[in-house]
Parts: sequence; C-alpha cells; structure tokens
Amino acid sequence: EAQVTQNPRYLITVTGKKLTVTCSQNMNHEYMSWYRQDPGLGLRQIYYSMNVEVTDKGDVPEGYKVSRKEKRNFPLILESPSPNQTSLYFCASSLGPPEAFFGQGTRLTVV
Amino acid sequence: GENVEQHPSTLSVQEGDSAVIKCTYSDSASNYFPWYKQELGKRPQLIIDIRSNVGEKKDQRIAVTLNKTAKHFSLHITETQPEDSAVYFCALIRNAGGTSYGKLTFGQGTILTVHP
Repeated sequence: EAQVTQNPRYLITVTGKKLTVTCSQNMNHEYMSWYRQDPGLGLRQIYYSMNVEVTDKGDVPEGYKVSRKEKRNFPLILESPSPNQTSLYFCASSLGPPEAFFGQGTRLTVV
Repeated sequence: GENVEQHPSTLSVQEGDSAVIKCTYSDSASNYFPWYKQELGKRPQLIIDIRSNVGEKKDQRIAVTLNKTAKHFSLHITETQPEDSAVYFCALIRNAGGTSYGKLTFGQGTILTVHP
C-alpha cells in the first residue's frame, strides 16, 4: 500500500529538549516536504526536498532542520523546541509538486 | 513569501446547492494552483489542480477556474452533499519548473458545512 508514515503521532516535550519527527514514504517519490498547521493560518511549508541531499527552505524554516540522506526518509529535527512550535505537523511526498500524499500528522506540544 | 488570500473563511450551504471558494494572489509568477480537502482529524488530500495555461478544469462535481489577469482562482462544487463538509485549502506554486519549484504556499482555509 502506498503511504507516507510519520512517527510519532503525538508528542509532548519540554522546552529545549531536542527531538526528531520521522517521515518515510514507500513510493520512490523524489519530492518531500514538511508543513505545520495552526488554526487560522492554514498549512505553512517548513522545508522541502527535491531529491537526496537537495533541501530548501519553505516559508517558516526558523527553528527547524531537515536532512535527506535517503530517498524514502525525510526527518524533521527541532534542536531546541520552544512553545511556539506547538503545532500539527504534516509530511508529504510526490513525484513532483503539488503533494499528492500526506502523512497522518504529528501533534506536537512543547511545554 | 507569496501571499494567498482565501475567502470566505466559513461557508454554510444546503445540500444540493453550489459552493464557491475564491483565492487571490499577487505574484504573476505563480503558475500552478492546487486545491486540497481536509476532513476533520484527517490529512489534506489533493482534489484538483490547474496550471496557468488553462482557464478551467472539471472533475465530476468539482471545477476550478483561473483568471490570470485578475490574479484569482476559484473552486466550484455543484450539487453539494454532506460528505463535502470539510476544510478546503487553495495553494499555489511560484515559478513551477524554475528555482522555486518546490515551494508551495497555502491559503488560510475555508470551513464548508453542507446541511442535509
């Protein structure tokens, strides 16, 4: 089954404690992307990747890092999470923009 | 980044009526316009998209129109059904095929409620 898998689905953490949200797709897609979703603001792109070792900033990259060492994986790293990064996060993949497949979402709470 | 204004923020219709959601943008380099549907508690799903060289595209009860001169594009849903109730997001890509090929900007969303 074609899918994009994010882990964890829910996470509560404390300010400053590094965390990683994983994203994996099994469709051999070259394009992957991360978004955060906040009420009233829609989806905002954090980072995207056109292929292995090729990443670029979206509209809200501050406080986040990504890496693309393999085609199937695109982890999102928060080196020092802060409460304003509390949000619902989505990973997505496609053969090319626009995204056709989104992950289930990760609800992150930073206290 | 590119700004996308989406209206209305909420839309309530009776089953069988039509629903129209409109998005406006400012950058004429925007050339790819997808629409997403997100049901409560679920992930967004791409439902239809249109390229800048096309004025209209239809898929069953859903259609999208694009007015490049006026810089707006709209989603039209005809014969609405309760299962159409969801949040709808417009989006755009600037310079698709160029250096910003992967940068996708979303509108703020429209909560559509279809009453039986």
